Amino acid sequence: QVQLVQSGTEVKKPGASVKVSCKASGHTFSDCYLHWVRQAPGQGLEWMGWINPNSGGTNYAQKFQGRVTMARDTSISTVYMELSSLTSDDTAVYYCARESQLRSDYWGQGTLVTVSS
Amino acid sequence: DIQMTQSPSSLSASVGDRVTITCRASQSISRYLNWYQQKPGKAPNLLIYAASSLQSGVPSRFSGSGSGTDFTLTISSLQPEDFATYYCQQSYITPRTFGQGTRLEIK
Repeated sequence: QVQLVQSGTEVKKPGASVKVSCKASGHTFSDCYLHWVRQAPGQGLEWMGWINPNSGGTNYAQKFQGRVTMARDTSISTVYMELSSLTSDDTAVYYCARESQLRSDYWGQGTLVTVSS
Repeated sequence: DIQMTQSPSSLSASVGDRVTITCRASQSISRYLNWYQQKPGKAPNLLIYAASSLQSGVPSRFSGSGSGTDFTLTISSLQPEDFATYYCQQSYITPRTFGQGTRLEIK
C-alpha cells in the first residue's frame, strides 16, 4: 500500500535551517508530484510547494521563495524540504502529500518543527 | 492566487443531523475542488475529489456538489467519528490553496 513516512521531530534555534524528509513506498516514485503543506499550532493548512520526483522540477509558494528548497533522491524514493532562516512563525507540523490526478490522496504522518531560542 | 472561503468557520451539531459546509472560490475553478477531514493530531484525509467524487473507503453519507465558484460538502447523518475539522482545497492552479477550515463540534 502507498505510504509516506516522514522524519522525526526537530527543534531549531531562530536563524537555523531544517531539513525534513519524506520516504515514499507502494507506488512508482516518479509518477506523482509530492507537495508540502504546513500547519501552525491551532491554525489551518498552508501549501508550501511541490516537487516533481521525475524531473526534480519545483514550484514554491511565493511566501517561501528564497527560503525553501525541495529536492529528491530517486535512488531511495525520498523527497526533502529544507527551510532556512527559521523564526518562531515557522513552528508548525510539516506534511508531505502525494498528488495523484489533482488530489492529495496520501499524506505523511507529519513532522513537528519547533523554533525556539 | 485563488482565495478559498469556507462557511461557517465552526458548527455545532448532533449525531444524526444533516450538515452542510460551503466553500467559495474567488474565481472559477471548474470542478477542481477537494474536501479533506482532519482530526486532532492527524494528517488530513481526502473525502471528496473533483467536487463530487467520493474517495475510496469514505462512507456514502459524505457527498459533494458544485462547480465554478460555489461548492458544498454535505454529511447526511452525522456519526460520532465525523466531529473534526473540514477543509476545501482548489487544485485548479498552483499555488494550491485551502479554505480556512470548518470545525464541526458536538452540540
